[in-house]
Amino acid sequence: GENVEQHPSTLSVQEGDSAVIKCTYSDSASNYFPWYKQELGKRPQLIIDIRSNVGEKKDQRIAVTLNKTAKHFSLHITETQPEDSAVYFCSGGSGNTPLVFGKGTRLSVIA
Amino acid sequence: IAGITQAPTSQILAAGRRMTLRCTQDMRHNAMYWYRQDLGLGLRLIHYSNTAGTTGKGEVPDGYSVSRANTDDFPLTLASAVPSQTSVYFCASSEVPNTEAFFGQGTRLTVV
Repeated sequence: GENVEQHPSTLSVQEGDSAVIKCTYSDSASNYFPWYKQELGKRPQLIIDIRSNVGEKKDQRIAVTLNKTAKHFSLHITETQPEDSAVYFCSGGSGNTPLVFGKGTRLSVIA
Repeated sequence: IAGITQAPTSQILAAGRRMTLRCTQDMRHNAMYWYRQDLGLGLRLIHYSNTAGTTGKGEVPDGYSVSRANTDDFPLTLASAVPSQTSVYFCASSEVPNTEAFFGQGTRLTVV
């Protein structure tokens, strides 16, 4: 089955700097890669997703890149703000197989 | 308001007791999931259902069972709770597999 590895487990950045979180996956059949943000005490919520037919997707300060050959994908957050502080989860899946999540990255944005 | 709801929000349970966590969605989503969240281990899939009447095992199914009698409800049962099942449990749903998943607010379960 699919295995998703996520790095780093914790990340601290200064406000205004960029943050990058990286994930790898094992199943070459995986074609859907969503990212979820979980604020303290809240439920995970989708922030951006990408399908395997594109290499990059942007939404304001957030972008995701996908390298199918290397089987890795990354989340990029630019101009970080304190409200970006949260746990971020990458995930991957395909067909009728449920999403498999990485172990999460705790991002702290220091004002 | 459309969404997905879980009950209870928290529970302290004696070891050996039976417990059912409830999950209901009103978005007419076909797929539903149960995850447990433990510090440092992320979200691990317990059981899932791609459509009413079908279920499947996830990564950590032992000690848990589910049923999917209709589209809206997906209860998770712990037959005989053990302390290692202390966790935060999230139910989620998606229109079909591998589309955006919407999570419930979570159930914090403590087994003592």
